[in-house]
Amino acid sequence: ETGVTQSPTHLIKTRGQQVTLRCSSQSGHNTVSWYQQALGQGPQFIFQYYREEENGRGNFPPRFSGLQFPNYSSELNVNALELDDSALYLCASSPGQGEQFFGPGTRLTVL
Amino acid sequence: AQSVTQLGSHVSVSEGALVLLRCNYSSSVPPYLFWYVQYPNQGLQLLLKYTTGATLVKGINGFEAEFKKSETSFHLTKPSAHMSDAAEYFCAVSERLGDYKLSFGAGTTVTVRA
Repeated sequence: ETGVTQSPTHLIKTRGQQVTLRCSSQSGHNTVSWYQQALGQGPQFIFQYYREEENGRGNFPPRFSGLQFPNYSSELNVNALELDDSALYLCASSPGQGEQFFGPGTRLTVL
Repeated sequence: AQSVTQLGSHVSVSEGALVLLRCNYSSSVPPYLFWYVQYPNQGLQLLLKYTTGATLVKGINGFEAEFKKSETSFHLTKPSAHMSDAAEYFCAVSERLGDYKLSFGAGTTVTVRA
């Protein structure tokens, strides 16, 4: 059974650019959540998708957006990148009422 | 609203000594509580979770935690530390399993001395 995978592993962008991060959920999982983990801090909830619909959102501006596809994989898009967007972005999948399983994360650096 | 406070951002223990990581939570409904471990440059791995029922929860790698409603606490312990326990540990709370956000504490870094 393949776990949660994320791509890319690392990337570097400059201020004002746009970025797309990808997540493949674990087999059988229909819910995907995204978290931002700044250096030295705990993960912060960005939003969650359930069966292709947004199912809750944290305190992040609209330039953070997402998608979930029919195969339950997901994308996180961030527009107009700011320096403070530099962080580890974690994706977690769950089978609805089950626990969340986390991927290894994407390290984003904004210069 | 839900939140977690982890007491102590850094804990240093000797190999073979007790590991105790403290977590207090706030939740307006009966909480689901979790402990995750994060090794350098990796994602989060679930150590254990409390949902309902028995308040003493056993997890992987010899860790356990006790849910104390009266103290709103969910402290993590391991009787004997191993060098491989050096990592960052996060306590988290949620109102539901799976289809609801996790709210994390700021984390506690554990260092194990030989």
